[in-house]
Amino acid sequence: EAGVTQSPTHLIKTRGQQATLRCSPISGHTSVYWYQQALGLGLQFLLWYDEGEERNRGNFPPRFSGRQFPNYSSELNVNALELEDSALYLCASRYNRVGYGYTFGSGTRLTVV
Amino acid sequence: SQKIEQNSEALNIQEGKTATLTCNYTNYSPAYLQWYRQDPGRGPVFLLLIRENEKEKRKERLKVTFDTTLKQSLFHITASQPADSATYLCALDTSGAGSYQLTFGKGTKLSVIP
Repeated sequence: EAGVTQSPTHLIKTRGQQATLRCSPISGHTSVYWYQQALGLGLQFLLWYDEGEERNRGNFPPRFSGRQFPNYSSELNVNALELEDSALYLCASRYNRVGYGYTFGSGTRLTVV
Repeated sequence: SQKIEQNSEALNIQEGKTATLTCNYTNYSPAYLQWYRQDPGRGPVFLLLIRENEKEKRKERLKVTFDTTLKQSLFHITASQPADSATYLCALDTSGAGSYQLTFGKGTKLSVIP
């Protein structure tokens, strides 16, 4: 079974540009979660998608947005990039039953210069 | 305000000993709690889930306890090995039962010294 895949692995952008990060969940998982992990900080919840709908978002500005496609893959967009957006962005999916945790991808390392 | 605290940022332990990591939380009533392992530059890996009505859960050399009165979970690794060196994260369901939206602690970096 393929795991959660994220692309690209690394992304370098300049301040003010836009970044697009992609995530493919495990087959059969309908929920996708996005987290930001800045250096030295914990995982900060960004967005949760389920069945194509945004279910909740964390305490991030509106320039962080995303969507979920009919095949349950997801995209995270970050507009007007700022230096402090540099972080590891992690996507996770889960099986809709109690007793199962998240399966995370390996992340996209975004560097804003 | 709501908080999840893991007792120490770093823990060093001798190989073969039992490592005990602590997760405390305030102002939550989670239906369950999870533990993850994260290696540098990688995504966290799910280890164990314990429900609010369970006191203890085991998996091989891992043991988790969950005390909803103390609002605390303990994570034990017995007979620790250098390969157990990693950051361990606790996570709580914080959006209501069944939502599965997790809030993570900042983690404890465990180093097992040969």
